[in-house]
Amino acid sequence: GDSVTQMEGPVTLSEEAFLTINCTYTATGYPSLFWYVQYPGEGLQLLLKATKADDKGSNKGFEATYRKETTSFHLEKGSVQVSDSAVYFCALSDRQGAQKLVFGQGTRLTINP
Amino acid sequence: DAGVIQSPRHEVTEMGQEVTLRCKPISGHNSLFWYRQTMMRGLELLIYFNNNVPIDDSGMPEDRFSAKMPNASFSTLKIQPSEPRDSAVYFCASSRLAGGTDTQYFGPGTRLTVL
Repeated sequence: GDSVTQMEGPVTLSEEAFLTINCTYTATGYPSLFWYVQYPGEGLQLLLKATKADDKGSNKGFEATYRKETTSFHLEKGSVQVSDSAVYFCALSDRQGAQKLVFGQGTRLTINP
Repeated sequence: DAGVIQSPRHEVTEMGQEVTLRCKPISGHNSLFWYRQTMMRGLELLIYFNNNVPIDDSGMPEDRFSAKMPNASFSTLKIQPSEPRDSAVYFCASSRLAGGTDTQYFGPGTRLTVL
């Protein structure tokens, strides 16, 4: 079945460092791809998404590009802040218009001042 | 907008007891999802509803779990009888039922501990 694999955490960086969180997927169709973020004690929030190959999603300085050839959707940010400390989840829906999301295991990110 | 509302936020119960988790979706949303989050298994979809009708309950782990959505503004997830392995954070999410995969908005979760 469809699956999402994220780089294992936890990840600890200093403020203003460059961030990459790797995400690869396995899907039989043409999935939509998502990054969700979970701050402590809260539910998940959509960070960004991309619905077709070569699309780039971006929000709050974060970016991810849908790479069909490498089945990847890596999350990047050029300069992280302490407030970016959270758990990040990569997810896919198995086809356009599908409602079910398959999540990766999550990557805990801690940013030190 | 108040967002998705879940209650209770924390629940501690003893094995064998019935547990009922509640969710109020965002007004105007007509899809509702129940997820379970554990360290071992991550985030799993249990069941989802469209227009109050259960569409896919393949993620419900056992017959001890049941979910209902009697109207557009309320859903429950019930565990009867509860077991220690049911301890987890349970999230409810809602979205609009649109042509594409619409954003799911998550509630703050209910942390369930079964002793």
